[in-house]
Amino acid sequence: LAKTTQPISMDSYEGQEVNITCSHNNIATNDYITWYQQFPSQGPRFIIQGYKTKVTNEVASLFIPADRKSSTLSLPRVSLSDTAVYYCLVGDVFSGGYNKLIFGAGTRLAVHP
Amino acid sequence: NAGVTQTPKFQVLKTGQSMTLQCAQDMNHEYMSWYRQDPGMGLRLIHYSVGAGITDQGEVPNGYNVSRSTTEDFPLRLLSAAPSQTSVYFCASSYRSGGYGKGTEAFFGQGTRLTVV
Repeated sequence: LAKTTQPISMDSYEGQEVNITCSHNNIATNDYITWYQQFPSQGPRFIIQGYKTKVTNEVASLFIPADRKSSTLSLPRVSLSDTAVYYCLVGDVFSGGYNKLIFGAGTRLAVHP
Repeated sequence: NAGVTQTPKFQVLKTGQSMTLQCAQDMNHEYMSWYRQDPGMGLRLIHYSVGAGITDQGEVPNGYNVSRSTTEDFPLRLLSAAPSQTSVYFCASSYRSGGYGKGTEAFFGQGTRLTVV
C-alpha cells in the first residue's frame, strides 16, 4: 500500500482557493487517489477520486501529474464550513483493496472569516 | 436509504467488561470495515470483511472480534475492555469494485464514542 504524506495543517480565509498537496512516491499502477473530508464528531465523507490528469466535481478539483507521485486537492472559494480534516488515500479500489485503505493523520484546514 | 448506521452513539464501559458495537448498512455493499480514531489522529483499520462469512484483520485487531453472518450487519466485539480502547469507532461500507452504476467510495457511519474507565 502506498504511503502518503500531506501537510499537517493549513490556514485560509473565506473566498480563497485552497490547494492541498499529497505526496505518494510509491503509488502502484492500479492505485487510485481518493480524498475524504472529516468534520468533528462525524465519519469521513468522500470528496473526489482520480487516476490521472484532472478530475472535477461540484465540490473540488483533483490534479494529478503524469508521474502520479503527487496529487493536489483544490477547493475553490472556501467558506467557514470547509473547516475540516482532509485525507489523501491511495489504493487499488477496483481489485478488492478498498477496505484496506490506510488513513494518515490528514491535513487540518482552518478557514478564517 | 439510511446508509451506514452505528449503535450506540456513546458508551462508557468499565475495564474488563465486554460489549458489541453494532453496524448495519442498507446499500447491499459487499465490503464492510471497522476503524478506530484516537484524538487528533487518523483512522486505523481494525477488521474488515469482503462478504458474508469472510473477515480479516487490519492494522490493530488485538482485543477485538468480528463476524459477518449477513451482508447487512458487521458487529465489532470488545472481549475485555481496556482503557487503551477508549476511542471513536467508525464503521464503513463500500462496493467490492467499481462498475457501471457503482461508485468506489466508502460510506462511513456517524461513529460510536467509547470510553473505558
